[in-house]
Amino acid sequence: NAGVTQTPKFRVLKTGQSMTLLCAQDMNHEYMYWYRQDPGMGLRLIHYSVGEGTTAKGEVPDGYNVSRLKKQNFLLGLESAAPSQTSVYFCASSGLAGLTDTQYFGPGTRLTVL
Amino acid sequence: DAKTTQPPSMDCAEGRAANLPCNHSTISGNEYVYWYRQIHSQGPQYIIHGLKNNETNEMASLIITEDRKSSTLILPHATLRDTAVYYCIVRLPPFGNEKLTFGTGTRLTIIP
Repeated sequence: NAGVTQTPKFRVLKTGQSMTLLCAQDMNHEYMYWYRQDPGMGLRLIHYSVGEGTTAKGEVPDGYNVSRLKKQNFLLGLESAAPSQTSVYFCASSGLAGLTDTQYFGPGTRLTVL
Repeated sequence: DAKTTQPPSMDCAEGRAANLPCNHSTISGNEYVYWYRQIHSQGPQYIIHGLKNNETNEMASLIITEDRKSSTLILPHATLRDTAVYYCIVRLPPFGNEKLTFGTGTRLTIIP
C-alpha cells in the first residue's frame, strides 16, 4: 500500500513550456485534490475531484487544467508555464465524504519555472 | 469556518512531552478539530482529530476543553523526527470538497 504517490519529484521548465504532474492513490479514495505551497505560505487548493470523470475549480485554478479519467489517478497540467507557477505541488486524496474523513498527502513535486 | 490561533514556534527536549496549544474561540458546535503536521519539504501528515471528547491514537493525544474554545495536541515522548510545523484546523462536515486552510501553524523544534 503505497498511499499517494506523485511524479515527478522535481522539474525545471522554461517559460511557455507545458507539463503534466501525475498523482496516483491506491486507497480507492473518491476525492482527490491538487494544492500548491509557496515559501512561507499555507496550502492553496488548485483543483479537486469528487469522483472519476469529475473535476472542479479550487481557490487558484487559473493556468492549470486537470483530468480524472481513472479513479486512482489525478493529473495536473500546465499548458504554458509561467514563473509565478514556481511552487511545490501536493496531491491529496480522501475517502467518501463523511464525518471523519482525512486527507492523505503525497510527497510533493518541486517545480521551478525559469 | 472558524479560525485558529497557534504560537509561531516552540522548543521541546527530546524524550519529553510536547504540548502544542490551539485557540479556536469561534468554533461552532458541529465543527471538528483536526491536527496535521508538515515535516520539512514533505506533504502534510494527518495526526488526529476530535469533536468534543479527548482522543488518543498511536501518534498523539488531543485534549479539547469543555467549552471547545481551545485544544492541546500532546506528543507524549518527542523525538527528533517530530520536528515539524504543526497545524490546527477546524472543519465543518460534510467533508470532501473543501480546501484545507492550514494557516501558519507552530514550528516545533525538538532539542537533543
